[in-house]
Amino acid sequence: EVQLVESGGGLFQPGGSLRLSCAASGFNFGGYWMHWVRQAPGKGLEWVSRINSDGSNTIYADSVKGRILVSRDNAKRTLYLQLSSLRAEDTAVYYCATVPPQQWLAPYFDYWGQGTLVTVSS
Amino acid sequence: DIQMTQSPSSLSASIGDRVTITCRASQSISTYLNWYQQKPGKAPKVLIYEVSRLESGVPSRFSGSGSGTDFTLTISSLQPEDFATYYCQQSYSTLPITFGQGTRLEIK
Repeated sequence: EVQLVESGGGLFQPGGSLRLSCAASGFNFGGYWMHWVRQAPGKGLEWVSRINSDGSNTIYADSVKGRILVSRDNAKRTLYLQLSSLRAEDTAVYYCATVPPQQWLAPYFDYWGQGTLVTVSS
Repeated sequence: DIQMTQSPSSLSASIGDRVTITCRASQSISTYLNWYQQKPGKAPKVLIYEVSRLESGVPSRFSGSGSGTDFTLTISSLQPEDFATYYCQQSYSTLPITFGQGTRLEIK
C-alpha cells in the first residue's frame, strides 16, 4: 500500500525557516518524481514544487522561488521541503504527492499524504 | 501562467440529481485536464485524468468531457458521499501547474 506521511509542521515566526519531511513507503520511491502542493486555510490548492526521481532537477512556484529548497534522500525514502524567510501567506497545509510514472511530463497526483499544517505567526 | 476558472463556485443539489461543474482554461490545454474531490480535513483524491479517464476505483457516475479551453465534470446521480469540493487542474504547462478555485457541492 502506498503511504506518504508528512511531518515537521507547526508554528513558525515570520522571517524564520522550516523543514518538512515526507516519508514514503509501499512503492519504488527512488523511481518517482514527487511534488509539493499546499492549501491555505479555507482556500484552494496551490502547486509548490516538483523534484525528479534522482533529485537532480527541481522547479518551484514563483510564490516561493528564492526561499525554497526541495530535496530527497532515496536511501531513506524521504522527500524534504525547506522554506525560509517565512511569511504569513505561507500558512497552509503542505501535502506531498506522487505522479504515475507515465504522467511525469503531464502530471496528475494519484497519491497524497495527509498533510502537515504550517502556521506562520508572531 | 494558465488560469483555471471553475463555475459555479458553489452548488446545492439533492440526492439523485445530475450535476455538472465547468472548468475553463485561459488558453488551450488540449486534453491535459484532471479533476479532484476533496472532503473536509482530507487530502484531495483524483477522480478523472486527461479529461475523461476514470481513475481506478472511482464510481462510473463520474464522467468528464471537453477539450481545448472548456471542460466539464458530471455526476450522473448524486450520492451522499459525493458532497465535497471539486477542483480541476491543468497539466499542459508544469511551470506552474495550476488548479481551479474549487466548486463546493452542498446538500439542498
